Amino acid sequence: GAGVSQSPSNKVTEKGKDVELRCDPISGHTALYWYRQSLGQGLEFLIYFQGNSAPDKSGLPSDRFSAERTGGSVSTLTIQRTQQEDSAVYLCASSLRDAGLYTQYFGPGTRLTVL
Amino acid sequence: AQSVTQPDIHITVSEGASLELRCNYSYGATPYLFWYVQSPGQGLQLLLKYFSGDTLVQGIKGFEAEFKRSQSSFNLRKPSVHWSDAAEYFCAVNDYKLSFGAGTTVTVRA
Repeated sequence: GAGVSQSPSNKVTEKGKDVELRCDPISGHTALYWYRQSLGQGLEFLIYFQGNSAPDKSGLPSDRFSAERTGGSVSTLTIQRTQQEDSAVYLCASSLRDAGLYTQYFGPGTRLTVL
Repeated sequence: AQSVTQPDIHITVSEGASLELRCNYSYGATPYLFWYVQSPGQGLQLLLKYFSGDTLVQGIKGFEAEFKRSQSSFNLRKPSVHWSDAAEYFCAVNDYKLSFGAGTTVTVRA
C-alpha cells in the first residue's frame, strides 16, 4: 500500500515568509509525528498527533511553529516568519497507535531552505 | 528521560567485510529499540526492531541486532557488506516518540 507522503519535497523561501509543509500518513494510522533533521541538532521530535489532538507539542522550537491535523489524516506544519535557523529537513512519520511498540514509518521529508 | 548514544560518527568498511555499529541506550523500563537507515536524500527506512523475547533480531537486507540488557546495548551487525549499504544508520528508542542517536555514517570501499 501507499506509504507516508510529504509535500513539497523541496521548499526555498526568503527569511520572514511563512511556509506550510504537508504530510499524508498511511491510511488507518492514528498517530502522526513531525521530526526535524538538521546538521547541528540531528533528528529531533517536534510534535505528535493522536487523531486530531496533539498531546505532546514539547519539541516545537518556538511559537512561530504550529501544526494541525484534520479528519484524523492529513497534517500541516506551519512555520511563520521563517528564520535561517529553520533550514532543515522536516520528516513526518505515522504509526498505527501512539505507543512504543508500534513502528513509525517515515515519509521522504521536505527540505526547507531559508535564504 | 530516554536517550541513545552512537559512539561512532563514521565507519569505513571494505566490501565483503563484516560491519558492526554500536548503540547504547538509557531507559528506565523495557526499551522498544529500532534501527533505521537513511540513504542520501531519502527518508528513514526501518531495518529492524526489538520489543521483547529473543535478544537476537533479524531485519531486512541481511542485518541483525543483539539486545544486551546488562550492557544497555543494541548493536547492529551485517556479516558481509555490499556497496549499497553505504548510508547513515540511526538507533532509536521509542516510548511513543522516537529518541534518536546522532547516527553513524557508513562508507563502503571497493
